[in-house]
Amino acid sequence: LAKTTQPISMDSYEGQEVNITCSHNNIATNDYITWYQQFPSQGPRFIIQGYKTKVTNEVASLFIPADRKSSTLSLPRVSLSDTAVYYCLVGQAGTALIFGKGTTLSVSS
Amino acid sequence: DSGVTQTPKHLITATGQRVTLRCSPRSGDLSVYWYQQSLDQGLQFLIQYYNGEERAKGNILERFSAQQFPDLHSELNLSSLELGDSALYFCASSFASGMNEQFFGPGTRLTVL
Repeated sequence: LAKTTQPISMDSYEGQEVNITCSHNNIATNDYITWYQQFPSQGPRFIIQGYKTKVTNEVASLFIPADRKSSTLSLPRVSLSDTAVYYCLVGQAGTALIFGKGTTLSVSS
Repeated sequence: DSGVTQTPKHLITATGQRVTLRCSPRSGDLSVYWYQQSLDQGLQFLIQYYNGEERAKGNILERFSAQQFPDLHSELNLSSLELGDSALYFCASSFASGMNEQFFGPGTRLTVL
């Protein structure tokens, strides 16, 4: 089961790009990398998922280097409403899903 | 609104009691997941069911049990409750098993006094 390591917290200002890196040194061949966002007292919400290289959707980009031992979630031009906890998950079908502590992102004006 | 419903929203009970939390997945989703979130433990995966069968298990206590019914709704039963069981319990669903996008419900806040 791949363990993930992410920064406990990050601070940013509105309009800036935020990059959150997750380390997963023992990622397995069949593992996918998934990021979730959670606001207080709400369930997590899926942001993006990838296997290798780069994935982009309407809210974020996910960069995965060739060795897949880390990944970076990129949030372009953050706003106050992006203040939340961001979780990096690594896993595959049939295994327990580990959310970890996540990264608390605080966006200020 | 994720389409996942959980009842009740709040539950207050006493130590030693038993409670049942209910989850209805999004229409068409076959997998249901249960998570526990407390302040000191973060978001902990408990168990997953796929089309009525147990698919994956996390650190679920023996006092806790779950099942998924033929109509795909799921129930999480918590018995011999302790103060430390006070937490937010989330249910999530996805179309298939595995690392598909999970849609989380609003949660049930359990308070054990």
